Amino acid sequence: DSGVTQTPKHLITATGQRVTLRCSPRSGDLSVYWYQQSLDQGLQFLIQYYNGEERAKGNILERFSAQQFPDLHSELNLSSLELGDSALYFCASSVEVGGWTGGADTQYFGPGTRLTVL
Amino acid sequence: GENVEQHPSTLSVQEGDSAVIKCTYSDSASNYFPWYKQELGKRPQLIIDIRSNVGEKKDQRIAVTLNKTAKHFSLHITETQPEDSAVYFCAASKRYSTLTFGKGTMLLVSP
Repeated sequence: DSGVTQTPKHLITATGQRVTLRCSPRSGDLSVYWYQQSLDQGLQFLIQYYNGEERAKGNILERFSAQQFPDLHSELNLSSLELGDSALYFCASSVEVGGWTGGADTQYFGPGTRLTVL
Repeated sequence: GENVEQHPSTLSVQEGDSAVIKCTYSDSASNYFPWYKQELGKRPQLIIDIRSNVGEKKDQRIAVTLNKTAKHFSLHITETQPEDSAVYFCAASKRYSTLTFGKGTMLLVSP
């Protein structure tokens, strides 16, 4: 157990719908990262937040958005869902000792949310 | 941006053999290189990492070597066991940038 929690574990929805994925980082971690992993694909970085502020953006679609709240949990919002959005979505967190160091710090992954769009 | 190439994409070994997975990176400023193991449907788990001030790091049957000049790093697993079967991802990053992952290597260890 990495200490990172994600809810829900599974989500099944229809095309055109909107869903929200939730992540709670490890205690003391200030950075949260979101990744998408499609079938037989690697880990695609979506977005990073550090202490409530957006720090880095990867291949995140405009239909997707995220935020990090004062208690440091984060939510990833996916809207106008398409079949191709079906994937495993992982959240990771890192402590960022000494302030934000970007990705050069150990990241611990949550168990993921499996999204199925029908 | 950073580009990480990982080889091979699939590796089959017999139990007890050694396995080596290699990664190359493009940004000479990268200084952090973690390796993750991912079992089917599970989360990626950090198994070992190395920073650029070290050339080699070992943890029981797992070791990572780093060649900064050639910009490549490798994962070595000795005395492989069936439970080592999984997908392994390498990654690279530098300060103020995010991790860039390789595409993964599926390791199959046959009894």
